[in-house]
Amino acid sequence: LAKTTQPISMDSYEGQEVNITCSHNNIATNDYITWYQQFPSQGPRFIIQGYKTKVTNEVASLFIPADRKSSTLSLPRVSLSDTAVYYCLVGDEGTYKYIFGTGTRLKVLA
Amino acid sequence: DTEVTQTPKHLVMGMTNKKSLKCEQHMGHRAMYWYKQKAKKPPELMFVYSYEKLSINESVPSRFSPECPNSSLLNLHLHALQPEDSALYLCASSLMTSGGDTQYFGPGTRLTVL
Repeated sequence: LAKTTQPISMDSYEGQEVNITCSHNNIATNDYITWYQQFPSQGPRFIIQGYKTKVTNEVASLFIPADRKSSTLSLPRVSLSDTAVYYCLVGDEGTYKYIFGTGTRLKVLA
Repeated sequence: DTEVTQTPKHLVMGMTNKKSLKCEQHMGHRAMYWYKQKAKKPPELMFVYSYEKLSINESVPSRFSPECPNSSLLNLHLHALQPEDSALYLCASSLMTSGGDTQYFGPGTRLTVL
């Protein structure tokens, strides 16, 4: 089971690009990496998912190096409303062994 | 529609009470999950149902009893809980596709055990 760690917190200014890393040294071959955003007292909201290399959607990019021992969520041009906790989730639908990362509190400043 | 609904939104119960949490999805998902989240901590997986059968029980105490009456519904029955069981209980569902199965979460039930 991959143990996943993230920086505890980050501050950024509006309009900047933010990169949040997740370390998962023991990731298994079939594990995928998913990132979620969570506001206080709400459920996690899906942002992006990937297996290797780079994935991009309308809100974020996900970079995964060849060894897959880490991943980086990139949020372009953050706004105040992006202030939230961001979690990576590593796991495999075959075994249902899912584990969340420790979470990163992002604070966007005006 | 990627909505998972949970009721109630808030629940306060005594240690001798019996209560139930309910989760519902109408996305045709075949896997449903219960997570427990303590304040300032990540969600922790409790149970997984796939095709209405219990697939994973992450060593959860028997005072928590899950039930999946049909493919759209998931219940969590609570009995004789302890104050340390107070937490946000999250339900999620997924399609069970291979090659990256995405879980969609409900808003959670905030449980307080007195």
